[in-house]
Amino acid sequence: GNSVTQMEGPVTLSEEAFLTINCTYTATGYPSLFWYVQYPGEGLQLLLKATKADDKGSNKGFEATYRKETTSFHLEKGSVQVSDSAVYFCALRTYSGGGADGLTFGKGTHLIIQP
Amino acid sequence: DAGVIQSPRHEVTEMGQEVTLRCKPISGHDYLFWYRQTMMRGLELLIYFNNNVPIDDSGMPEDRFSAKMPNASFSTLKIQPSEPRDSAVYFCASSGLRYAAEQYFGPGTRLTVT
Repeated sequence: GNSVTQMEGPVTLSEEAFLTINCTYTATGYPSLFWYVQYPGEGLQLLLKATKADDKGSNKGFEATYRKETTSFHLEKGSVQVSDSAVYFCALRTYSGGGADGLTFGKGTHLIIQP
Repeated sequence: DAGVIQSPRHEVTEMGQEVTLRCKPISGHDYLFWYRQTMMRGLELLIYFNNNVPIDDSGMPEDRFSAKMPNASFSTLKIQPSEPRDSAVYFCASSGLRYAAEQYFGPGTRLTVT
């Protein structure tokens, strides 16, 4: 079956620090990979995605590269801001004969940025 | 578009009562998903529909849970009877048909069963 493993937090950083949140996966077939972000009291929002090996997804200064050889999709940002404080979820989606499957999520990483 | 709409936003009920959660997906989306979020288990896929047809309900925890999608603009998740361990945030999401289409999430329903 499918599974996603990501570092669990909380991760606490100072403003302008470099961020890495690790994510590795196992999947049947060739998955698409996603990072979602959840702000307090809200639903999840797509942050970025990649659909094939070596693709780099990017948005709002965040980046992640689809590494098929290491089955990883680590999230990075060069300089975090207080407003980046949220919970970040790595996820994958596979495609079976009936079409697309639902998302399989990691447990989430709570990121806290201190001014 | 207003996005995915869920109601109610909060529900407090007593053990043994029936609970019905509602979802209106984004117009034109072919897929609808129900997820449950808890501290212990994280985000779990319960069931999803494609063109109103249930495709995979293997995540539904037990027979007390049921979901329907009578038309393209409405879905319900019902718990009968409810138990305290059902307390969680329930999210509905919808997406289009194209490859790697983004899933759009509703704001969630926070269910508390006492």
